[in-house]
Amino acid sequence: AQTVTQSQPEMSVQEAETVTLSCTYDTSESDYYLFWYKQPPSRQMILVIRQEAYKQQNATENRFSVNFQKAAKSFSLKISDSQLGDAAMYFCAYLYSGGGADGLTFGKGTHLIIQP
Amino acid sequence: NAGVTQTPKFQVLKTGQSMTLQCAQDMNHEYMSWYRQDPGMGLRLIHYSVGAGITDQGEVPNGYNVSRSTTEDFPLRLLSAAPSQTSVYFCASTTGWASNEKLFFGSGTQLSVL
Repeated sequence: AQTVTQSQPEMSVQEAETVTLSCTYDTSESDYYLFWYKQPPSRQMILVIRQEAYKQQNATENRFSVNFQKAAKSFSLKISDSQLGDAAMYFCAYLYSGGGADGLTFGKGTHLIIQP
Repeated sequence: NAGVTQTPKFQVLKTGQSMTLQCAQDMNHEYMSWYRQDPGMGLRLIHYSVGAGITDQGEVPNGYNVSRSTTEDFPLRLLSAAPSQTSVYFCASTTGWASNEKLFFGSGTQLSVL
């Protein structure tokens, strides 16, 4: 079974600086999707960014980008120019693209604190 | 467009009571699912459905029942609540996993079992 590991329970960064959240995963599949979700105190799950494993180019969404290393099974999230509104729990998630019905496998999350 | 609607938002039960968590989506999504989120944990899949009349178990199905009589609704039933079922429950739906598709989440139900 696939597993997702987020080794940083909590991270802290100064406003306007850059922070990188780590995620590693274990799978025997070659085709899959990876996601980063943000969960603010409102509890809402918000998709931040998505990466298809077959794409070599790293996904980017405005201030958010990923470093996808398929051979190392690593999928880190970089947040540039951190803002107070970025404070939240961040979850890394894996989805096997061959089925999808099994749902997403989530990591345990990283609590991101933004220092003003 | 309401998206995914979960009710109630909060619920307190006594051990042994039964209840149904409601989930409805108005996006004509075939795939619907239920997750639970425990402190210090990511979300874990309870049950899912790929269409009306079709349901299957996820990672943590024990103690929960589901049915899918319509495309729009996917209720989650707790037949005899236990303290171990204290958690936040999320319903989610999607059309599929093709490029740019995503999972739409409801706002969650916080359940406490005393």
